[in-house]
Amino acid sequence: DTEVTQTPKHLVMGMTNKKSLKCEQHMGHRAMYWYKQKAKKPPELMFVYSYEKLSINESVPSRFSPECPNSSLLNLHLHALQPEDSALYLCASSPGQGSSHYGYTFGSGTRLTVV
Amino acid sequence: KQEVTQIPAALSVPEGENLVLNCSFTDSAIYNLQWFRQDPGKGLTSLLLIQSSQREQTSGRLNASLDKSSGRSTLYIAASQPGDSATYLCAVRLNSGYSTLTFGKGTMLLVSP
Repeated sequence: DTEVTQTPKHLVMGMTNKKSLKCEQHMGHRAMYWYKQKAKKPPELMFVYSYEKLSINESVPSRFSPECPNSSLLNLHLHALQPEDSALYLCASSPGQGSSHYGYTFGSGTRLTVV
Repeated sequence: KQEVTQIPAALSVPEGENLVLNCSFTDSAIYNLQWFRQDPGKGLTSLLLIQSSQREQTSGRLNASLDKSSGRSTLYIAASQPGDSATYLCAVRLNSGYSTLTFGKGTMLLVSP
């Protein structure tokens, strides 16, 4: 299995809702990432988990809360989002932060719309 | 701070042409460089990964080169097809323990039949 699977593919939520994005990989990768991408822009890093511990938080607002229950799963919990948070949310994985030999594998993304 | 620039920002060519996409980066102390393809509204598909010690990588009609000392990479697409239409992103990873990818803004390619 060489894929990163993200669910759901599309999500519409109100500003008072609580929802979660899910990401799963079975490649044995030990680093997992959340990126946010706005239209016609490159992906922006949000969070990095390395060996199931949060290693990088790029000053993301607290309404985004990441969670890594185990080495294969990564969640992004959403609460009280704003319309400007509407974007494509991408999950990625790589063998490990200290392993440079292999590249990143990205999922197909969750298209989030906040109304 | 690493900066990655991709030229051109957009490119429109007729089917069958060979074309070159350019990527430059400011800090040559990189682990590797990765080229991705992104279709509208979709995720990123890895095309080629070049390690810092390598000069080029090839996959089918794609060839990527790396000149680390000058901070440049090129993606060569041979005999372009309409199915190649997408945005192509270049990303570099710095040579440090907890570095992550730095992306360019991408080249939007349109190949017309």
